[in-house]
Amino acid sequence: DADVTQTPRNRITKTGKRIMLECSQTKGHDRMYWYRQDPGLGLQLIYYSFDVKDINKGEISDGYSVSRQAQAKFSLSLESAIPNQTALYFCATSVGSSSYEQFFGPGTRLTVL
Amino acid sequence: AQTVTQSQPEMSVQEAETVTLSCTYDTSENNYYLFWYKQPPSRQMILVIRQEAYKQQNATENRFSVNFQKAAKSFSLKISDSQLGDTAMYFCAFMRRLDTGNQFYFGTGTSLTVIP
Repeated sequence: DADVTQTPRNRITKTGKRIMLECSQTKGHDRMYWYRQDPGLGLQLIYYSFDVKDINKGEISDGYSVSRQAQAKFSLSLESAIPNQTALYFCATSVGSSSYEQFFGPGTRLTVL
Repeated sequence: AQTVTQSQPEMSVQEAETVTLSCTYDTSENNYYLFWYKQPPSRQMILVIRQEAYKQQNATENRFSVNFQKAAKSFSLKISDSQLGDTAMYFCAFMRRLDTGNQFYFGTGTSLTVIP
């Protein structure tokens, strides 16, 4: 089984709809991250969480919110989706302050019509 | 601010040949880490190699090696004996250590195609 899972893997939605992307991990890591990937722009950090009670905005948090329901779960919400939020979304984890690697989920491809 | 620049959006290489992907970064930090991640068509992000800034010796992982030039803030990836499975998008990443955790910054990627 994959250590970092994301659901759904693909989603098509309409402008104005609320949508939630979920991330679960079995690695026991305390740090979790949400990125979006757009062609030619690489990965941009949306939000990150260093433990259950800690939530931090990244570079491009406008239009997004997150919830860290448990150490193993970190959800990303689009309250009112818009077409320019069409992108590939990745969840990632890392452990403690001594970890030098991020472990990525398989990605969620979101299309907003 | 930390920035990571990959100036080669696309590259190609013949199978079994060697190719070098470029990456430069800008930071005022002295203690940091650098990474190369591979993203094949499956979309999965896979760590290829990492380099600690305090180490002068260049990191090597099998056919993958880096040329780390700290003064020039350059971190290139060399792939030797290229294989068809190396076809992927490659991302250079910079990580700085904070008191509470680590922050990562990614380049825009280089799409590598290995030609049979």
